[in-house]
Order: sequence, then structure tokens, then C-alpha cells
Amino acid sequence: DAKTTQPNSMESNEEEPVHLPCNHSTISGTDYIHWYRQLPSQGPEYVIHGLTSNVNNRMASLAIAEDRKSSTLILHRATLRDAAVYYCILLNPKEYGNKLVFGAGTILRVKS
Amino acid sequence: DAMVIQNPRYQVTQFGKPVTLSCSQTLNHNVMYWYQQKSSQAPKLLFHYYDKDFNNEADTPDNFQSRRPNTSFCFLDIRSPGLGDAAMYLCATSRQGGSLSNEQFFGPGTRLTVL
Repeated sequence: DAKTTQPNSMESNEEEPVHLPCNHSTISGTDYIHWYRQLPSQGPEYVIHGLTSNVNNRMASLAIAEDRKSSTLILHRATLRDAAVYYCILLNPKEYGNKLVFGAGTILRVKS
Repeated sequence: DAMVIQNPRYQVTQFGKPVTLSCSQTLNHNVMYWYQQKSSQAPKLLFHYYDKDFNNEADTPDNFQSRRPNTSFCFLDIRSPGLGDAAMYLCATSRQGGSLSNEQFFGPGTRLTVL
């Protein structure tokens, strides 16, 4: 499975944008970039995913570098409820189905 | 609302006493997964069912087994729980569609304590 590298933790102020980086230098052409988050005492929750183009949904935006070796999850206005562990995961449905291999993730702390 | 339900939310068992955790879904997804998450660690996939086909991860201990009697239900059986099996067990579902990449929907988890 292709690996990702994320900072261990980040801190943000409430109501400010947050940019969570992820490096995936060994990504293959058929790897999708998925982001999940896990709030305290809950199961993981899907945030967003993309393949080559930037993606937006109601929760966040995903900016994918042109060479696809890195990506950034953007929370446009952080709230206290966004405090969670954020996981960047590469997924290759052709080779591995839809299996998720979680790394350590980034702990996001949001200050009021 | 369509969802993934896990029962019970908290389970206490004794060392060596078999225990079964259950998961049900109303999403009609064809794939169901079981993950183990130990304290302060990331979730780790134990196995998954693609329809009725069981797929075990290579490093999942034999002590862990699973059953999927129908599309909606999936069970995790721990035959002889050890202290090291204390963890949160997460069930997830997805709709598998060829080469498309689909999101997984997770339940709230069952926290297992082994005494």
C-alpha cells in the first residue's frame, strides 16, 4: 500500500481556515486520495476524496498538487466541532478494493 | 436515516470467554468491514466481506472470526479474548463498484474490555 506522511498535530483558531497537508510521493496513477476524520469517541467519518482535480463538498476542499505527490485538506472556517484526528489515505480500488489503511493521522486542535 | 449500527456500544468479557459483537446496516451496501482500534492508535482492518466472500487480512489472528448471514448483518467473534484484545471494534460498509472509489460509512464502535 502506498504510504502517506502527515504532521503529528496542528492547531488552529476558531473561525479561521485550516490547511492540513499530506505527502504521498509514491502515489500511483490509480490511487485515489481519501480523507477521513475521527472525532473523539466516534467512528471515522468520510470527509472528501479525489483523484487528480481539486474537489469541494459541504465539509471541505481538497487541493491536489499537479504532480499528485501531495495534497491539502482545507477546512474553510474551523469550528470546535472540527477538532479531530484527520487521516489522509491512498486507496487503489483496482488492486486493493476499497480497503482503508490508516496511518497515524494529524491531530487537529481548535482554539476558541 | 440510513446508518451503521453496532451493538452493544460497550462490552465487558472475561479472559478466555468467547464474545460476539454485532453490526447491522440499513444502507444495503455489499461490502462490510471490521476494524480494530487500540488506545491512541489508528484503526486496523481485520477482515471484510465482499457480498458473501470473506477476505481475511494476513496478520489477523485466528482468534478473530466473522459471520455475515445476510446483507444487513455482520458479526465479529472473538473465540478466546486476551487482555491484548481490549480495543474499540469498528464496523464499516461501502458500496463496491468496480474501479470506482467509494466512501466507507462507519458505525460508532463497540468498546471491548477484557477482565
